[in-house]
Amino acid sequence: DAGVTQSPTHLIKTRGQQVTLRCSPKSGHDTVSWYQQALGQGPQFIFQYYEEEERQRGNFPDRFSGHQFPNYSSELNVNALLLGDSALYLCASSLGTTDTQYFGPGTRLTVL
Amino acid sequence: GENVEQHPSTLSVQEGDSAVIKCTYSDSASNYFPWYKQELGKRPQLIIDIRSNVGEKKDQRIAVTLNKTAKHFSLHITETQPEDSAVYFCAATHNNAGNMLTFGGGTRLMVKP
Repeated sequence: DAGVTQSPTHLIKTRGQQVTLRCSPKSGHDTVSWYQQALGQGPQFIFQYYEEEERQRGNFPDRFSGHQFPNYSSELNVNALLLGDSALYLCASSLGTTDTQYFGPGTRLTVL
Repeated sequence: GENVEQHPSTLSVQEGDSAVIKCTYSDSASNYFPWYKQELGKRPQLIIDIRSNVGEKKDQRIAVTLNKTAKHFSLHITETQPEDSAVYFCAATHNNAGNMLTFGGGTRLMVKP
């Protein structure tokens, strides 16, 4: 049973660039949530996708956008990167919007 | 919105001792409280969770208690082992928020052999 997978593992970008991160949910799951985890802090909710629509959004600017595909996989896009966007980006999947979430290994983004 | 506070930020215990981590939440509507363990460089792993219709849940050496009146919940680890060393996060959410988890700041647990 495949767990949540994310790609790439690591990414280095410069300020102003754009980045796309990818997530495949656990087999049988249909909901994907994205979190940002700064060093030494707890994860912060960015947004959640269900039925290919953004259902919930945390306190993040419009530079953060996403997409969910018919196969339930998801992308997180960040435009106009800032140094403060450097973090571990975690994807979590669940069955429906109220069930237990399981996390992927994350993508470590470094903005120089 | 929901705010979750977690204490202590670091906890050092001897192998075999018990460890307790406490969290408080602000939104009385919150009804689901998971705990995640995150080892260095790895993903957060769900270790136990509790819903608001029960006051306590146990799974082998791990237990979670919930006091809805006081809006706090705690993680208890008994007979700690070196492999329990990690950062532990509590979180809270409620049905109207989907499963948008609000996390505490984390507790670094160190179990000394």
